[in-house]
Amino acid sequence: QQPVQSPQAVILREGEDAVINCSSSKALYSVHWYRQKHGEAPVFLMILLKGGEQKGHEKISASFNEKKQQSSLYLTASQLSYSGTYFCGTSRSNDYKLSFGAGTTVTVRA
Amino acid sequence: SAVISQKPSRDICQRGTSLTIQCQVDSQVTMMFWYRQQPGQSLTLIATANQGSEATYESGFVIDKFPISRPNLTFSTLTVSNMSPEDSSIYLCSAGRAGETQYFGPGTRLLVL
Repeated sequence: QQPVQSPQAVILREGEDAVINCSSSKALYSVHWYRQKHGEAPVFLMILLKGGEQKGHEKISASFNEKKQQSSLYLTASQLSYSGTYFCGTSRSNDYKLSFGAGTTVTVRA
Repeated sequence: SAVISQKPSRDICQRGTSLTIQCQVDSQVTMMFWYRQQPGQSLTLIATANQGSEATYESGFVIDKFPISRPNLTFSTLTVSNMSPEDSSIYLCSAGRAGETQYFGPGTRLLVL
Protein backbone atom coordinates (compact mmCIF):
# COMPACT_ATOMS: atom_id res chain seq x y z
CA GLN A 1 0.00 0.00 0.00
CA GLN A 2 1.37 3.36 -1.07
CA PRO A 3 2.46 5.68 1.76
CA VAL A 4 1.05 9.21 1.89
CA GLN A 5 3.47 12.11 1.50
CA SER A 6 2.87 15.75 2.40
CA PRO A 7 3.14 18.44 1.34
CA GLN A 8 2.88 17.86 -2.40
CA ALA A 9 5.18 20.80 -3.11
CA VAL A 10 7.16 23.41 -1.21
CA ILE A 11 9.05 26.52 -2.27
CA LEU A 12 11.93 27.75 -0.14
CA ARG A 13 14.49 30.50 -0.15
CA GLU A 14 18.08 29.55 0.51
CA GLY A 15 18.68 29.05 4.20
CA GLU A 16 15.07 28.22 5.06
CA ASP A 17 13.91 24.97 6.62
CA ALA A 18 11.26 22.47 5.54
CA VAL A 19 9.75 19.21 6.75
CA ILE A 20 8.42 16.46 4.51
CA ASN A 21 6.14 13.84 6.02
CA CYS A 22 5.46 10.23 5.07
CA SER A 23 2.79 8.11 6.71
CA SER A 24 1.48 4.59 6.36
CA SER A 25 -1.62 2.81 7.57
CA LYS A 26 0.38 -0.44 7.94
CA ALA A 27 3.17 -1.38 10.32
CA LEU A 28 6.54 -0.60 8.74
CA TYR A 29 9.94 -2.23 8.96
CA SER A 30 11.90 0.51 7.25
CA VAL A 31 11.56 3.91 5.61
CA HIS A 32 13.91 4.98 2.81
CA TRP A 33 14.24 8.56 1.57
CA TYR A 34 15.43 9.49 -1.92
CA ARG A 35 15.84 12.69 -3.90
CA GLN A 36 15.36 12.74 -7.65
CA LYS A 37 16.33 15.57 -9.96
CA HIS A 38 14.70 15.94 -13.36
CA GLY A 39 15.90 13.31 -15.81
CA GLU A 40 18.08 11.56 -13.24
CA ALA A 41 17.84 8.45 -11.07
CA PRO A 42 16.67 8.65 -7.45
CA VAL A 43 19.59 9.22 -5.08
CA PHE A 44 19.62 7.62 -1.62
CA LEU A 45 19.47 10.02 1.34
CA MET A 46 18.49 8.13 4.46
CA ILE A 47 17.19 4.82 5.76
CA LEU A 48 15.33 4.50 9.06
CA LEU A 49 14.80 1.09 10.54
CA LYS A 50 12.29 -0.26 13.00
CA GLY A 51 13.99 0.04 16.36
CA GLY A 52 15.40 3.47 15.71
CA GLU A 53 18.57 2.85 13.71
CA GLN A 54 19.31 5.53 11.11
CA LYS A 55 21.79 5.46 8.28
CA GLY A 56 22.39 8.40 5.99
CA HIS A 57 24.91 9.73 3.58
CA GLU A 58 24.17 13.45 3.58
CA LYS A 59 23.63 16.26 6.05
CA ILE A 60 19.88 15.67 6.11
CA SER A 61 18.11 14.38 9.18
CA ALA A 62 14.98 12.28 9.57
CA SER A 63 12.84 10.65 12.20
CA PHE A 64 10.64 7.56 12.36
CA ASN A 65 7.73 7.33 14.77
CA GLU A 66 6.96 3.61 14.96
CA LYS A 67 3.78 4.10 16.99
CA LYS A 68 2.27 6.36 14.37
CA GLN A 69 4.02 4.73 11.36
CA GLN A 70 5.19 8.15 10.30
CA SER A 71 8.52 9.45 9.11
CA SER A 72 9.67 13.01 8.62
CA LEU A 73 12.60 14.34 6.58
CA TYR A 74 14.11 17.61 7.78
CA LEU A 75 15.75 19.98 5.33
CA THR A 76 17.63 22.59 7.33
CA ALA A 77 19.42 25.67 6.02
CA SER A 78 18.38 24.68 2.52
CA GLN A 79 20.75 25.10 -0.41
CA LEU A 80 20.00 25.43 -4.12
CA SER A 81 21.20 21.84 -4.55
CA TYR A 82 18.33 20.60 -2.36
CA SER A 83 15.86 21.24 -5.17
CA GLY A 84 14.25 18.12 -6.57
CA THR A 85 11.49 15.63 -5.85
CA TYR A 86 11.73 13.74 -2.58
CA PHE A 87 10.26 10.26 -2.33
CA CYS A 88 9.76 8.08 0.70
CA GLY A 89 9.79 4.34 0.15
CA THR A 90 8.46 2.00 2.79
CA SER A 91 8.90 -1.71 3.40
CA ARG A 92 6.92 -3.93 5.73
CA SER A 93 9.66 -6.52 6.18
CA ASN A 94 13.38 -7.02 5.72
CA ASP A 95 12.82 -8.02 2.10
CA TYR A 96 13.05 -4.25 1.41
CA LYS A 97 10.41 -4.34 -1.32
CA LEU A 98 9.55 -0.64 -1.42
CA SER A 99 6.24 1.13 -1.93
CA PHE A 100 6.84 4.75 -2.81
CA GLY A 101 4.85 7.83 -1.97
CA ALA A 102 3.70 10.27 -4.64
CA GLY A 103 6.64 12.57 -3.97
CA THR A 104 7.22 16.10 -2.70
CA THR A 105 8.65 18.67 -5.09
CA VAL A 106 11.06 21.05 -3.38
CA THR A 107 12.16 24.24 -5.09
CA VAL A 108 14.90 26.30 -3.45
CA ARG A 109 15.36 29.81 -4.77
CA ALA A 110 18.24 32.21 -4.28
CA SER B 1 27.15 1.80 -2.02
CA ALA B 2 26.68 0.04 -5.36
CA VAL B 3 27.21 1.52 -8.81
CA ILE B 4 24.57 0.39 -11.28
CA SER B 5 24.53 0.71 -15.04
CA GLN B 6 21.67 0.05 -17.44
CA LYS B 7 21.54 -0.57 -21.17
CA PRO B 8 20.04 0.84 -23.30
CA SER B 9 19.62 4.30 -21.81
CA ARG B 10 16.68 4.98 -24.13
CA ASP B 11 14.89 3.40 -27.05
CA ILE B 12 12.01 3.95 -29.43
CA CYS B 13 10.17 0.76 -30.34
CA GLN B 14 7.25 -0.31 -32.50
CA ARG B 15 4.17 -1.83 -30.91
CA GLY B 16 4.15 -5.60 -30.82
CA THR B 17 7.93 -5.89 -30.45
CA SER B 18 9.97 -6.71 -27.35
CA LEU B 19 12.87 -4.95 -25.65
CA THR B 20 15.37 -6.40 -23.20
CA ILE B 21 16.93 -4.06 -20.64
CA GLN B 22 20.18 -5.01 -18.95
CA CYS B 23 21.23 -4.07 -15.42
CA GLN B 24 24.84 -4.48 -14.25
CA VAL B 25 26.08 -3.89 -10.68
CA ASP B 26 29.73 -3.26 -9.88
CA SER B 27 29.72 -5.64 -6.91
CA GLN B 28 27.78 -8.62 -5.61
CA VAL B 29 24.41 -7.70 -4.15
CA THR B 30 21.69 -9.59 -2.36
CA MET B 31 18.69 -7.75 -3.73
CA MET B 32 17.81 -6.63 -7.23
CA PHE B 33 14.50 -5.04 -8.19
CA TRP B 34 12.81 -3.59 -11.25
CA TYR B 35 10.62 -0.48 -11.08
CA ARG B 36 8.56 1.52 -13.55
CA GLN B 37 8.19 5.27 -13.41
CA GLN B 38 5.82 7.23 -15.62
CA PRO B 39 7.09 10.77 -16.36
CA GLY B 40 6.33 13.03 -13.43
CA GLN B 41 5.01 10.14 -11.35
CA SER B 42 6.20 7.94 -8.51
CA LEU B 43 7.98 4.59 -8.75
CA THR B 44 6.07 1.31 -8.95
CA LEU B 45 7.72 -2.01 -8.12
CA ILE B 46 7.40 -4.53 -10.95
CA ALA B 47 9.24 -7.50 -9.48
CA THR B 48 12.08 -8.82 -7.37
CA ALA B 49 14.81 -10.48 -9.42
CA ASN B 50 15.86 -13.63 -7.56
CA GLN B 51 19.23 -15.20 -8.27
CA GLY B 52 18.82 -18.76 -9.44
CA SER B 53 15.03 -18.84 -9.26
CA GLU B 54 11.96 -17.27 -10.82
CA ALA B 55 11.29 -13.59 -10.19
CA THR B 56 8.59 -12.53 -7.73
CA TYR B 57 6.03 -10.26 -9.37
CA GLU B 58 3.86 -7.58 -7.76
CA SER B 59 0.14 -7.32 -8.29
CA GLY B 60 -0.65 -6.19 -11.81
CA PHE B 61 2.57 -7.49 -13.36
CA VAL B 62 2.96 -10.94 -14.93
CA ILE B 63 5.86 -13.01 -16.13
CA ASP B 64 4.58 -13.34 -19.69
CA LYS B 65 4.65 -9.57 -20.10
CA PHE B 66 7.81 -8.81 -18.08
CA PRO B 67 10.10 -11.86 -18.04
CA ILE B 68 13.11 -11.32 -15.78
CA SER B 69 16.39 -13.16 -15.51
CA ARG B 70 19.10 -13.01 -12.87
CA PRO B 71 21.87 -15.47 -13.68
CA ASN B 72 24.28 -14.22 -10.98
CA LEU B 73 24.66 -11.73 -8.13
CA THR B 74 25.62 -8.77 -10.32
CA PHE B 75 23.41 -8.94 -13.43
CA SER B 76 19.74 -8.96 -14.34
CA THR B 77 17.58 -8.39 -17.40
CA LEU B 78 13.99 -7.22 -17.81
CA THR B 79 12.14 -7.85 -21.07
CA VAL B 80 9.10 -5.80 -21.99
CA SER B 81 7.15 -8.09 -24.31
CA ASN B 82 4.57 -7.42 -27.01
CA MET B 83 4.80 -3.71 -26.33
CA SER B 84 1.98 -1.21 -26.62
CA PRO B 85 2.07 2.60 -26.21
CA GLU B 86 0.92 2.12 -22.59
CA ASP B 87 4.33 0.55 -21.87
CA SER B 88 6.06 3.86 -22.59
CA SER B 89 7.80 4.68 -19.34
CA ILE B 90 11.11 4.80 -17.51
CA TYR B 91 12.30 1.43 -16.28
CA LEU B 92 14.69 1.46 -13.32
CA CYS B 93 16.82 -1.26 -11.85
CA SER B 94 17.79 -1.10 -8.18
CA ALA B 95 20.17 -3.18 -6.10
CA GLY B 96 21.41 -3.48 -2.55
CA ARG B 97 22.75 -5.76 0.15
CA ALA B 98 20.81 -7.31 3.02
CA GLY B 99 20.31 -4.79 5.81
CA GLU B 100 21.08 -1.83 3.55
CA THR B 101 19.08 0.39 1.26
CA GLN B 102 18.67 0.16 -2.52
CA TYR B 103 20.62 2.13 -5.07
CA PHE B 104 19.11 2.95 -8.45
CA GLY B 105 20.47 2.69 -11.92
CA PRO B 106 20.11 5.62 -14.36
CA GLY B 107 16.97 4.16 -15.94
CA THR B 108 15.89 3.19 -19.45
CA ARG B 109 13.53 5.59 -21.20
CA LEU B 110 11.20 3.65 -23.45
CA LEU B 111 8.85 5.11 -26.04
CA VAL B 112 6.49 2.76 -27.88
CA LEU B 113 4.91 3.99 -31.08
